[in-house]
Amino acid sequence: GAVVSQHPSRVICKSGTSVKIECRSLDFQATTMFWYRQFPKQSLMLMATSNEGSKATYEQGVEKDKFLINHASLTLSTLTVTSAHPEDSSFYICSARGTSGGGEQFFGPGTRLTVL
Amino acid sequence: DAKTTQPPSMDCAEGRAANLPCNHSTISGNEYVYWYRQIHSQGPQYIIHGLKNNETNEMASLIITEDRKSSTLILPHATLRDTAVYYCIVRVDGNDMRFGAGTRLTVKP
Repeated sequence: GAVVSQHPSRVICKSGTSVKIECRSLDFQATTMFWYRQFPKQSLMLMATSNEGSKATYEQGVEKDKFLINHASLTLSTLTVTSAHPEDSSFYICSARGTSGGGEQFFGPGTRLTVL
Repeated sequence: DAKTTQPPSMDCAEGRAANLPCNHSTISGNEYVYWYRQIHSQGPQYIIHGLKNNETNEMASLIITEDRKSSTLILPHATLRDTAVYYCIVRVDGNDMRFGAGTRLTVKP
């Protein structure tokens, strides 16, 4: 149980285009979802937290107009990187926490974004 | 949430126990100790968590000192597939999970 999927697993795009990444909780309902970014040889950095049906809360230094997050249902959150640039190339990982009240967060497999 | 300190890297021989330490001297009474690991280019995988008592599951054991200021994750019989970065995280239930630098464990044949 407690599986989180991400799509796509890998994406290459041209500079200036927008890219959407989907995160789904497959076998549980996620009231809260999280988006992380990880650069090579670095740890995961929390970008934003979203609760179903409400606006995301962004960490300091993360541009909310550049990284659009939509948590439209209890099983789906999307991250859209708008007007992507090479410096946005990174490994994006989503995580979900269920409605059962437990403290565990379950992580997706990650999406490798490369902006040319 | 309290800060954690872990050694940057460790080696372990295949088949032997891997003991990964974590210091969390400023932990408060309602903070749990969580362990995750990240194998290269994958998302983090939950291993185990605990509050006060030692915990064991099919993957590992978690030993928390009586004063809760440190803990040790034990992989009883490490295999090459256990090579990963291991993260010790201290947090209050309900708070988001924030990652430090972790310990890079290399299991050698």
